[in-house]
Amino acid sequence: NAGVMQNPRHLVRRRGQEARLRCSPMKGHSHVYWYRQLPEEGLKFMVYLQKENIIDESGMPKERFSAEFPKEGPSILRIQQVVRGDSAAYFCASSPRQGGQETQYFGPGTRLLVL
Amino acid sequence: AQSVSQHNHHVILSEAASLELGCNYSYGGTVNLFWYVQYPGQHLQLLLKYFSGDPLVKGIKGFEAEFIKSKFSFNLRKPSVQWSDTAEYFCAVRGSSASKIIFGSGTRLSIRP
Repeated sequence: NAGVMQNPRHLVRRRGQEARLRCSPMKGHSHVYWYRQLPEEGLKFMVYLQKENIIDESGMPKERFSAEFPKEGPSILRIQQVVRGDSAAYFCASSPRQGGQETQYFGPGTRLLVL
Repeated sequence: AQSVSQHNHHVILSEAASLELGCNYSYGGTVNLFWYVQYPGQHLQLLLKYFSGDPLVKGIKGFEAEFIKSKFSFNLRKPSVQWSDTAEYFCAVRGSSASKIIFGSGTRLSIRP
């Protein structure tokens, strides 16, 4: 049973380019969460999605960042016009249901480096 | 404000030493508590979790944690560490009806062989 998959594992972008990060949840999981880990810091919640719905985006920066989880295919975290401060590790997690007794299972992360 | 505080940024121990990593949280209401571990080059793995019941929780690889509600603490312990325990350890909290997890900044554990 494959775990949460993320790709690419490493991504290098120049300032002003776009970054697309993909997350495929565990089989049977319909809830996806994105977290960001800045250097020397813990993970910070960004957004929580179910299929075709954004449930909680309270941790998303107001500009340049967007996320989707379409009916078919992986969840995408998109960063437009990247800046150096976007350099971080981006982790995706999934769960079969919301909150309660559910555990979130994490993927290996995408390490974004903005030059 | 909701937050998790891990007191030690970097802990260095010799093999067979006992381990205790401190974790305190600030969160109103009923909480779920977690310890995650990230081995070098690998993804976060769940070490143990507390949802309700016995405040002494046993996890994988001989780890345990104790939830002390009056102290808002959830310290991680292991009686005898091994070199393979070298990793980063994250304490985390979530409201029992919430979705997002709030993480501490992590404690890097280095074990001398």
